[in-house]
Parts: sequence; C-alpha cells; structure tokens
Amino acid sequence: SSELTQDPTVSVALGQTVTITCRGDSLKNFYGSWYQQRPGQAPILVMYSKNKRPSGVPDRFSGSFSEDTASLTITGAQAEDEADYYCNSRDSGSDQLIFGGGTKLTVL
Amino acid sequence: DVQVVESGGNLVQPGRSLTLSCVGSGFTFGDYDVSWVRQAAGKGLEWVAYIRSQPYGARTEYAASVKDRFSISRDDSKKTAYLHMNDVKGDDTAVYFCARSGGGSPVYLFHWGPGTLVTVSS
Repeated sequence: SSELTQDPTVSVALGQTVTITCRGDSLKNFYGSWYQQRPGQAPILVMYSKNKRPSGVPDRFSGSFSEDTASLTITGAQAEDEADYYCNSRDSGSDQLIFGGGTKLTVL
Repeated sequence: DVQVVESGGNLVQPGRSLTLSCVGSGFTFGDYDVSWVRQAAGKGLEWVAYIRSQPYGARTEYAASVKDRFSISRDDSKKTAYLHMNDVKGDDTAVYFCARSGGGSPVYLFHWGPGTLVTVSS
C-alpha cells in the first residue's frame, strides 16, 4: 500500500506565509485533500481536488500539486491557523483511502 | 445545516462486538458516500472504511487493519450509516469519526461529526 509523508512540525511567524507539504506515489495519479484539526475538535476540510476551497474557508488558504507532492499554503498566517494539518488521498494500488501522518503548525 | 452525528461509543472488552451509528441531517443522505475515520489519543487520523452511495452500488472498502473484523453498512431510509465492530482489540481504542463525502469522490470528506469514543479494555 501507499504512504503519504508529511513533516511532523512546521512553524511560521504571525502574518507570514507557510507551505505544508505531503508526498507520496498516490499523488501522481489522484488529487487529495487537506484537513485542519484544532485540539479537541473534529477535522475540517480546507482544500480538495487540485486547489478547491470549501465554502467558509478563508482565501488565505491555497493548494497546489507537483508530481508526487501536494502543498497547502497559508498566505498571511493567523493565530487561529495553529492546528494539526492532515493530507489524504486514494491508495494507488487499491480504492482504499490513506492519510498522511499530520503536520503540527505553530504560529509564532 | 449539514450535520453528521455519531453514537454508540463505549467501553468494550477485547474480543467483543460493538456497533457505531452515524446519523445525517440537512442533506439527502442517500446521495453521498460515508467514511469512518479513527484517531487514537495523541495520534494521527486513520481511515477505517467507507461505503459508497447507492448509485455506486453501496460498494465498501476497508483498511487492512480492520478488514474481516469490521463491516460498514447504511440504511438510507433512516439516514444512518453503521460501523459493526467484531473481535475488537486494544489497538481499536480511539475516537471514531463519521464523515460525509462531497465533490464526487469518497476521498473528499466534507462534513465530520464530533466523534464517539471507543475504549477496548478488560
């Protein structure tokens, strides 16, 4: 089965731009999605398909894909963006779903 | 508003069975795929299973870690999806989230419930 790899921790200064990445073979064939999870809360979808943003998600969030890597960029990070971020996609060898290990974003 | 709410989490002994329920409201339940995703304390998200909508034959898929022990089903007349957990193990201890898909793919989990806690212990 495939794997999705994320950096465990990333930090950004308040108001600056940060990119969180997710790498895996399955991303060569399938777009994935990104989820934000604050402590004690359920995940929230913040990006899906190539770069689609669900309604209600601030436009400072954007997404992109290149070969085997998906990226989530926050332009002008806010304190409320501090959370865990997870990518997911479809396993390239099956119809199963997979999640990355998650990235803890700290806003300094 | 679109909502999904899980129930049925409990303390259960190893080897026993438990069924979780996921009720949807604010949308036509039968038009959407439903997934179960779990999260052990302090750990990341782990996809467990999904069931597609009837137009896709209500096809099911399972993670390798639960295949042959868990089964997912749905009753669209009751706007409910179920996760039947058999022969539970300590590693199954987690918060279980139900999520409704969107965007035409089971991958995109648009709406999540608050979760229900399953604790496997003797």
